[in-house]
Formats: sequence, structure tokens, C-alpha cells
Amino acid sequence: DAGVIQSPRHEVTEMGQEVTLRCKPISGHDYLFWYRQTMMRGLELLIYFNNNVPIDDSGMPEDRFSAKMPNASFSTLKIQPSEPRDSAVYFCASSYETSGLQETQYFGPGTRLLVL
Amino acid sequence: AQKITQTQPGMFVQEKEAVTLDCTYDTSDQSYGLFWYKQPSSGEMIFLIYQGSYDEQNATEGRYSLNFQKARKSANLVISASQLGDSAMYFCAMREGLGSSNTGKLIFGQGTTLQVKP
Repeated sequence: DAGVIQSPRHEVTEMGQEVTLRCKPISGHDYLFWYRQTMMRGLELLIYFNNNVPIDDSGMPEDRFSAKMPNASFSTLKIQPSEPRDSAVYFCASSYETSGLQETQYFGPGTRLLVL
Repeated sequence: AQKITQTQPGMFVQEKEAVTLDCTYDTSDQSYGLFWYKQPSSGEMIFLIYQGSYDEQNATEGRYSLNFQKARKSANLVISASQLGDSAMYFCAMREGLGSSNTGKLIFGQGTTLQVKP
């Protein structure tokens, strides 16, 4: 089975530009998570969805960040306008829900974003 | 507030020896889950092992085992018979709540870099 798929794998952009990161979760998974990894802050949760509905976006840094999940097999994380401090690795992860319990999260390969 | 602490920024181990990576956690929840992930230099996050707070036995997955000491709030990862391919960053993580209070959030420690020497 295919794992979590993320695109692009690498993105270099200039400050002020719009950036869109994409994620395809594992088929059948009920939860989708967006994480950001930086040297300074480590791994932090930005937002997560359950059955395509955003549940908790308290980790989204500011209004420049937005995330959508239009269907069960696709999610986007958008940064507009981008700033150099947004440079990080962005991970998407997904998991099952079984009998009301959320199972292990499986991560995609990540998108390395560099904002110049 | 929930917190994960990994006190070893870096560790070395000789190939074929066992190594223990430390993880302590802080939570007021009675139900929680503990995870270990491996992040090699290529950057992906690989799930290794899971321990539920109500699991009476320590989790094992091949060469990985989790030394779970609930009273001490520690969940150390033990890697037996280290291999060169085990060189990576290792993250301990905790999931807030289980069951009806399951928020799904994972809280990560800062990670431990393990280098396996030939």
C-alpha cells in the first residue's frame, strides 16, 4: 500500500509569494495532521482534520496559514504571503480511527520549504 | 500541561551492542499513548513502536522494545544488536488522551541523535 504522499518534496520561493503544500493520506484513514519541524521549535502540530473536518487549528501560526481538506484523499496547506521564518520541513500524517480510538499516525516524507 | 523530555541530545553505540534512549513524560491524563519515531538523515518520520498507558506488558517490535515504567513516567526505547542503519534521530511522542477525550495530538520530545559506530 502507498504511504502518505506529499508534494512537492522541495520548494524554494521568495518572500511574499504564495506557497501550497499538498498531501494525500493513506486510503481509508480518518485523521489527517499537518506538522512543522524546525531546529528551534522541533516538531509542532499545526492543524488536524477528522473525516475532512478541521478539528483543531490552534497550532496555525497566524492568518497567513490556511489548510483545507476538500475530500478524504487530499489536503492542502497554504502560506500567503510567505516569509523567511516559514522555512521548515512540513509533514503530513494520517491515521485510522478504530472503535472511537485513534490509531498510530503515519507520516509522509515531508516538504522542505525555503523562503528567501 | 503535557510534556515530553529527551535528555540525551546525542548518543554513540558500537555496532551489535544494545542502546537505551531515554524519554520521560508529564501528564495528568490517566489514559495516554507513547510512541517512538525514527528520523534518518533522509528526513522521513518512521513509526517504530507504541505503548498504551494501560498496557501491562512492555511493547516489543523486532529489535525495538519499550521499557515502560509508569510510576516513573518514563518510556525508554531499547534497541538491541545495533546496526549501522540505526544511525538517525529518534523522537519520543505522547498522544493526549484516549477514548472519548482523544484529541489525536502528538506532542514530541526534542529528539536524540544516535550514531552507530562500526
